[in-house]
Amino acid sequence: GQQVMQIPQYQHVQEGEDFTTYCNSSTTLSNIQWYKQRPGGHPVFLIQLVKSGEVKKQKRLTFQFGEAKKNSSLHITATQTTDVGTYFCAGAGTALIFGKGTTLSVSS
Amino acid sequence: DAGVIQSPRHEVTEMGQEVTLRCKPISGHDYLFWYRQTMMRGLELLIYFNNNVPIDDSGMPEDRFSAKMPNASFSTLKIQPSEPRDSAVYFCASRLAGGTDTQYFGPGTRLTVL
Repeated sequence: GQQVMQIPQYQHVQEGEDFTTYCNSSTTLSNIQWYKQRPGGHPVFLIQLVKSGEVKKQKRLTFQFGEAKKNSSLHITATQTTDVGTYFCAGAGTALIFGKGTTLSVSS
Repeated sequence: DAGVIQSPRHEVTEMGQEVTLRCKPISGHDYLFWYRQTMMRGLELLIYFNNNVPIDDSGMPEDRFSAKMPNASFSTLKIQPSEPRDSAVYFCASRLAGGTDTQYFGPGTRLTVL
C-alpha cells in the first residue's frame, strides 16, 4: 500500500539555525498536507499543497511539493524555540497516510 | 467554536479490563477518524466513518478493538480485553466532506494498561 517516509527522524538545532524535513511517497500524491504536533499536544494542520512544484510560505516556514508530486519538504528559516515539536507530512485523500514525523528540538 | 472533544484525557487500567474512549466531532463534520500514536509505530489510522457508517476498519489491530458511531455527534472506541501493548495515545479527528482534506484532531486520550 501507499507509504510516506520522512527524514530525518530527529533533528536538533541551535536557535537561529535553519531546519529542513523531507517527505517521500511511494506513489504519486494528489496533494500533501503538513501538520505540527507540539510536545504533549495533538497534530495541528499547517498547510496543504496541491500543484506540482508548488511552493508556499508561512512566515519563516517554506513548503514545497515536488514536480512529480511524490516528495515534499518543509524548511524553517532561523528556528526559534517555539518551533519545537514533531512535523508530519500526510498523503492526502479521504484518509490521510501519515509519515512518522520529524521531531525538532531547539536549544537557545 | 468547540473543537473535537475527547474523553477521558487520561485512562489508567489493568490488563483484562474493558476501556471505552469517547469522541465528539466538530458539529457538521461528515468524517470521523480514530488514530493510535506510539513511539514505535507513529500515527496509525484505526478506522474511519462517513456519515456515521464505518468505511475502512483495516487498521483495527484485532477483534479486541471495536468502534461505533451511533449518531453524528458521538463515537466510541472500545478495547476489550485491554492489554499492556494497547498503551498509547488515541486521537479522534473529524473533517468536512468536500473542500480540503484537512483533519481536525482532538486532544487525545492517553491510555496506560498495567
